[in-house]
Amino acid sequence: AQSVTQPDIHITVSEGASLELRCNYSYGATPYLFWYVQSPGQGLQLLLKYFSGDTLVQGIKGFEAEFKRSQSSFNLRKPSVHWSDAAEYFCAVGAWGNNNDMRFGAGTRLTVKP
Amino acid sequence: GAGVSQSPRYKVAKRGQDVALRCDPISGHVSLFWYQQALGQGPEFLTYFQNEAQLDKSGLPSDRFFAERPEGSVSTLKIQRTQQEDSAVYLCASSYQPTDTEAFFGQGTRLTVV
Repeated sequence: AQSVTQPDIHITVSEGASLELRCNYSYGATPYLFWYVQSPGQGLQLLLKYFSGDTLVQGIKGFEAEFKRSQSSFNLRKPSVHWSDAAEYFCAVGAWGNNNDMRFGAGTRLTVKP
Repeated sequence: GAGVSQSPRYKVAKRGQDVALRCDPISGHVSLFWYQQALGQGPEFLTYFQNEAQLDKSGLPSDRFFAERPEGSVSTLKIQRTQQEDSAVYLCASSYQPTDTEAFFGQGTRLTVV
């Protein structure tokens, strides 16, 4: 069965600093991988997704993620964090569709210091 | 509508009370998903509809949970005899086609059982 692990429950970075959020997955086949962001009181917004091809994926709001099959990882990065990036970030693995098998990690809460 | 709409946004229920949570998906979206998000956790799958057909209800935690989508658009998640452990945010998501690679989330309904 597929699963997702986000090792960091909470991360604090200074505004302007770089960011990396970790995600490790377990999946039986070639995974579909996603990163979502959730601001307080809001639903989940898709940042980026990986299905195949180039292992470095660009997303919205200046985020990118790199798929590393050998490490079963899909870490999210941003070169320079803005105060508005403070939110909860969820990694997910699986596929939307008839056989719903999307699995979400427990999330990483990002705090941005001025 | 422009996005997935859920109502009410907040619901406080006394233990033992029945509640009904509504989801208005994006117009024309075939697939609809319900997720439960406990405090500090990622979303957990509850059930999936394709049009009016409930194709997967494997995530419903007990027979007190019931979901319907009678006309293939609006969906209602009903919880009977609510218990404290039902307190969570209930998220609805929809996608245009079952094979879509993205689903759009509503803002959720925060249910608190007292």
